Amino acid sequence: DQQVKQNSPSLSVQEGRISILNCDYTNSMFDYFLWYKKYPAEGPTFLISISSIKDKNEDGRFTVFLNKSAKHLSLHIVPSQPGDSAVYFCAAHGYNNNDMRFGAGTRLTVKP
Amino acid sequence: NAGVTQTPKFRVLKTGQSMTLLCAQDMNHEYMYWYRQDPGMGLRLIHYSVGEGTTAKGEVPDGYNVSRLKKQNFLLGLESAAPSQTSVYFCASGNNEQFFGPGTRLTVL
Repeated sequence: DQQVKQNSPSLSVQEGRISILNCDYTNSMFDYFLWYKKYPAEGPTFLISISSIKDKNEDGRFTVFLNKSAKHLSLHIVPSQPGDSAVYFCAAHGYNNNDMRFGAGTRLTVKP
Repeated sequence: NAGVTQTPKFRVLKTGQSMTLLCAQDMNHEYMYWYRQDPGMGLRLIHYSVGEGTTAKGEVPDGYNVSRLKKQNFLLGLESAAPSQTSVYFCASGNNEQFFGPGTRLTVL
């Protein structure tokens, strides 16, 4: 069962515009959420995270929003840059953070 | 400071052969993990370790074994490889924030 879902396999945006990547989850025990970025032939790298006690976390151009009632989170990138082109994975875990579940990923392409 | 390293980077096996993937980290992390990534499925946890000498099963452990004899190393073994184990394997270490290695692309014919 896929407990973390990224329903958009790909997203294309123009440089300078906003990129919004979405993620839904089904397990109400998840209390920590992360976004990872992955370039081809490399391992995923941590981007930003949010605890369930917050609804927003900002780090430079990246902001993650959490809507617990809807079991939904989103990653906003403003402004988008060509170097942001990568696959973005949403991940989540509960108190036992050894059992992190990942979404299938969204491939973001930022066009110059 | 190399972070998390994995060897080998690529490997082709025939069905029934065995192999060991090595993961090493120099960040003194207690927690280490092995994931596999398949198209359309994200990363799935195979096994993990919460410290030297400990291992535990993840989401998809069947067909794999692991060992953590030293804190900095986490080995993933395939005793009898099957085509269904064709995948990209990632090792990671850390707690809330996991640091990933570059991956091993394994093909089982």
